[in-house]
Amino acid sequence: GAVVSQHPSWVICKSGTSVKIECRSLDFQATTMFWYRQFPKQSLMLMATSNEGSKATYEQGVEKDKFLINHASLTLSTLTVTSAHPEDSSFYICSASTGAGSPGLSYEQYFGPGTRLTVT
Amino acid sequence: AQSVTQLGSHVSVSEGALVLLRCNYSSSVPPYLFWYVQYPNQGLQLLLKYTTGATLVKGINGFEAEFKKSETSFHLTKPSAHMSDAAEYFCAVSEGGGNKLTFGTGTQLKVEL
Repeated sequence: GAVVSQHPSWVICKSGTSVKIECRSLDFQATTMFWYRQFPKQSLMLMATSNEGSKATYEQGVEKDKFLINHASLTLSTLTVTSAHPEDSSFYICSASTGAGSPGLSYEQYFGPGTRLTVT
Repeated sequence: AQSVTQLGSHVSVSEGALVLLRCNYSSSVPPYLFWYVQYPNQGLQLLLKYTTGATLVKGINGFEAEFKKSETSFHLTKPSAHMSDAAEYFCAVSEGGGNKLTFGTGTQLKVEL
């Protein structure tokens, strides 16, 4: 149980275009989802926290108009990188949490496999 | 505010030797502590976690960690390293369950023959 998927696993796009990344909790309902980005050989930096049905909370320094997050259902959150530029190239990882807890699952975050974005 | 410090960005051990990866934390409330492993171009896999109760926590693949409040530490150990343990390891702290994680900078573990 507690499987999180991301799609696509990798994407290459041209500068100025927008890219959407999906994060799905496959076998549990995620009241909260988190989006991280990771630069090569660096740690994960939290970008935003999203709760189902409400607006995402962005970390300081993250442009909310550039990184659009939608958490429309308990199993799906999307991150859209708008007008992407080469400096947005990174590894984006989502995680999902049950929040209040579900049978057999703990409060921990369950991580997706990540999406490698390359902007040319 | 919470923070994590991982001492040693690179650790190298011989196969069969003890693995010790250090993690110190700072938290204004009783922390939840985690160790994750990341293989190249993959997401994070939870090794073990401490929330409450027993301070010695056992995880997957033979890893364990001990929560020491007086030292604000949560070091990760494994008695005998295996080649398959070579990966990046992240320590993380959360102020309560389901809340955002703050990660350390990671430690790259290299296992040599």
